[in-house]
Amino acid sequence: DAGVIQSPRHEVTEMGQEVTLRCKPISGHDYLFWYRQTMMRGLELLIYFNNNVPIDDSGMPEDRFSAKMPNASFSTLKIQPSEPRDSAVYFCASTVDRGVPEAFFGQGTRLTVV
Amino acid sequence: GDSVTQMEGPVTLSEEAFLTINCTYTATGYPSLFWYVQYPGEGLQLLLKATKADDKGSNKGFEATYRKETTSFHLEKGSVQVSDSAVYFCALSVTYSSASKIIFGSGTRLSIRP
Repeated sequence: DAGVIQSPRHEVTEMGQEVTLRCKPISGHDYLFWYRQTMMRGLELLIYFNNNVPIDDSGMPEDRFSAKMPNASFSTLKIQPSEPRDSAVYFCASTVDRGVPEAFFGQGTRLTVV
Repeated sequence: GDSVTQMEGPVTLSEEAFLTINCTYTATGYPSLFWYVQYPGEGLQLLLKATKADDKGSNKGFEATYRKETTSFHLEKGSVQVSDSAVYFCALSVTYSSASKIIFGSGTRLSIRP
């Protein structure tokens, strides 16, 4: 398996534009997590899904952020409209609900909003 | 609620020095505990784990022991190398009702001088 795949690796956009980040989890994994990493706040859990269903979105900063998981092999995180303070590295991770749930991370998407 | 607290960085050591990065946790039930490492420009990857009290996780010369009485999982290495320079995250996994969640500490940046 190729691991968790995120796209794009880098995204530069202007303030006010819509941004969509994509994630393909490892096949067979039950859980998918979206994290945001910044120098100021470290690694924050935004939302996570279990079997494609959102379980906890309490970490989503505001209504400008939304996430979907239409099937077991794809998820999106959308920011509309984007703001400079959304600049961060966004990570997707997946895991299985068997034994010890080790999270496997993607390479991340570095988002810069100018 | 459930949380992880780890020592703030950055930590700067000379090569071959002894390393300790402290981590304590708060959790209901019996969490599994992890250390993840993030090298520059990459996602997080699992370094070691422990699933129950008194378990010792080890990998690449790093060790950590699950101490239930002190709710700690400190990371240690006897002789660090320049290649160990990275950000280290302590984490725990907990199960709520029918869903599991992975919670990370804020990360500790480690720099090793030649």
